[in-house]
Amino acid sequence: GEDVEQSLFLSVREGDSSVINCTYTDSSSTYLYWYKQEPGAGLQLLTYIFSNMDMKQDQRLTVLLNKKDKHLSLRIADTQTGDSAIYFCAADTGRRALTFGSGTRLQVQP
Amino acid sequence: EPEVTQTPSHQVTQMGQEVILRCVPISNHLYFYWYRQILGQKVEFLVSFYNNEISEKSEIFDDQFSVERPDGSNFTLKIRSTKLEDSAMYFCASSESKVPNYGYTFGSGTRLTVV
Repeated sequence: GEDVEQSLFLSVREGDSSVINCTYTDSSSTYLYWYKQEPGAGLQLLTYIFSNMDMKQDQRLTVLLNKKDKHLSLRIADTQTGDSAIYFCAADTGRRALTFGSGTRLQVQP
Repeated sequence: EPEVTQTPSHQVTQMGQEVILRCVPISNHLYFYWYRQILGQKVEFLVSFYNNEISEKSEIFDDQFSVERPDGSNFTLKIRSTKLEDSAMYFCASSESKVPNYGYTFGSGTRLTVV
């Protein structure tokens, strides 16, 4: 089945860009999502990309998809302390809802 | 913006007791899901539900689990005889289609603690 992997931790300074990376195994993944989870809270959909796209930009967020390498990244420009959270990559193959990565904890230093 | 609502936000139960976790999905959504997240681990798929029946379930969703849509708005997850290892955050989600154009909407979760 699908497997999704992420690095566990990223620390950046306020104002810098953050890049969170994700790899997945199933090349038939149709949609790839980024969810944000703040402490004690639920999963907030940040953005998503369809598999026929290479890039999607949404305000401070840029998603890059490399289908050949099955690599997805989320870039947050001008990272703020309010961006501190856990970021989950998730893949949807259309066969079984979503497969999530382990989450990347983003720590933003003032 | 429409929300998925889960109650309670936190439930403490004794081992062996039955619990029911409740969810109100978005009203025009047709597909409903339960996921769980054990502390510090991945978010794991439990079950999907469509047209009043289970459409898919994972290996975790064994005979102690059941789901129900008892009326037009609620979607419930029942755990019959809770075990310590059932302690986790349980998330309900809904979507308008099987592979939704706009993603799945998740609730804020119910933290289940089995003691």
